[in-house]
Amino acid sequence: SAVISQKPSRDICQRGTSLTIQCQVDSQVTMMFWYRQQPGQSLTLIATANQGSEATYESGFVIDKFPISRPNLTFSTLTVSNMSPEDSSIYLCSAGSGQGNEQYFGPGTRLTVT
Amino acid sequence: TQLLEQSPQFLSIQEGENLTVYCNSSSVFSSLQWYRQEPGEGPVLLVTVVTGGEVKKLKRLTFQFGDARKDSSLHITAAQPGDTGLYLCAGEDTGNQFYFGTGTSLTVIP
Repeated sequence: SAVISQKPSRDICQRGTSLTIQCQVDSQVTMMFWYRQQPGQSLTLIATANQGSEATYESGFVIDKFPISRPNLTFSTLTVSNMSPEDSSIYLCSAGSGQGNEQYFGPGTRLTVT
Repeated sequence: TQLLEQSPQFLSIQEGENLTVYCNSSSVFSSLQWYRQEPGEGPVLLVTVVTGGEVKKLKRLTFQFGDARKDSSLHITAAQPGDTGLYLCAGEDTGNQFYFGTGTSLTVIP
């Protein structure tokens, strides 16, 4: 298994600003993902963070709005840019071995945009 | 997009009752996971099923993968308040990408 930490755990931000969320894994992993979740609802995949190359974004998500970095096999960041109240959500990172079957999640970052 | 529909969406039961949550799709998955998420935390992996028809038991929880690997069920026997949470299924495709179900919010009343 992998232990994943995220920073910050929560933040309240003003419209038009940007926030960078950090995700740290305690071991090297092949796959890292970023999700968005409204409280009590399912997860929506934003992108797959690829080590050494550009992230792969899902339909409806673009790099200019959600730039992602993954400088090594244990760390990734997600930036929410030019925020609006519609970006208020829980952002979760996860990691997997890439060999299938298991995905581990961080505790999430609760973002409120005013 | 590979849609995974869960039913029911909400479930509120008394302690000691049994329940079943369903996860259905028209797509075939190489594996399927079940997660439980509590408020303020990330989802926690409960089980992974890989083979069509596979049944796995985790104490009072029984998980089954459909023969065609398109659907799954989670059965809880004698539910306890500690079972309360959001249950999510997630199907994995051949490209190691995960698609999450719509979620089932379970409340077990003492």
